[in-house]
Amino acid sequence: AQTVTQSQPEMSVQEAETVTLSCTYDTSESDYYLFWYKQPPSRQMILVIRQEAYKQQNATENRFSVNFQKAAKSFSLKISDSQLGDAAMYFCAYRPWGYGGSQGNLIFGKGTKLSVKP
Amino acid sequence: SAVISQKPSRDICQRGTSLTIQCQVDSQVTMMFWYRQQPGQSLTLIATANQGSEATYESGFVIDKFPISRPNLTFSTLTVSNMSPEDSSIYLCSAPGQTNTGELFFGEGSRLTVL
Repeated sequence: AQTVTQSQPEMSVQEAETVTLSCTYDTSESDYYLFWYKQPPSRQMILVIRQEAYKQQNATENRFSVNFQKAAKSFSLKISDSQLGDAAMYFCAYRPWGYGGSQGNLIFGKGTKLSVKP
Repeated sequence: SAVISQKPSRDICQRGTSLTIQCQVDSQVTMMFWYRQQPGQSLTLIATANQGSEATYESGFVIDKFPISRPNLTFSTLTVSNMSPEDSSIYLCSAPGQTNTGELFFGEGSRLTVL
């Protein structure tokens, strides 16, 4: 069974600084998706960034980028120029490539609570 | 992307009662997913709802406790039956986007408190 591990329950960063959130996963599949979701206190799950496993190039979305190491099964999120609005729970998630039944669901890590200090 | 509307946003319920959560997607989707997020925890999949067939439940979740309906390709309901304080959680509905790029989109969640 696939698993996702986030080893940092909480992280803190100074406004305008850079922070990296860690994520490792375990799977025997070769094709899959990886995601980082953000959940602010409002509860809404917001997609931050997506990575397809077949792509060697690391995904970037403005201030957010990932370091995807497929062999090491590692998928870290880097937030540059941190802003107060980045404060939230961040969840790393895995999704199998194919669809069909429950294989299509997301498997989440336990989350990392990010605080941003002004 | 997909816009997902859930209601109620929150509710306070009495022990032993049942509550139905509604989820509406702004596009037709084959699968919809229901997740539970217990206080301070991550998201756990309850079941996958396919239109025209019985929902597929994950280990630890049963149809008698969490009956799901999926009458069409844009709508689903989750009922939490015979509630106890242990059912106090956020329940989230999710669905893929129209472009099929892998991610799931989420509703705002329904926060249930059972007294």
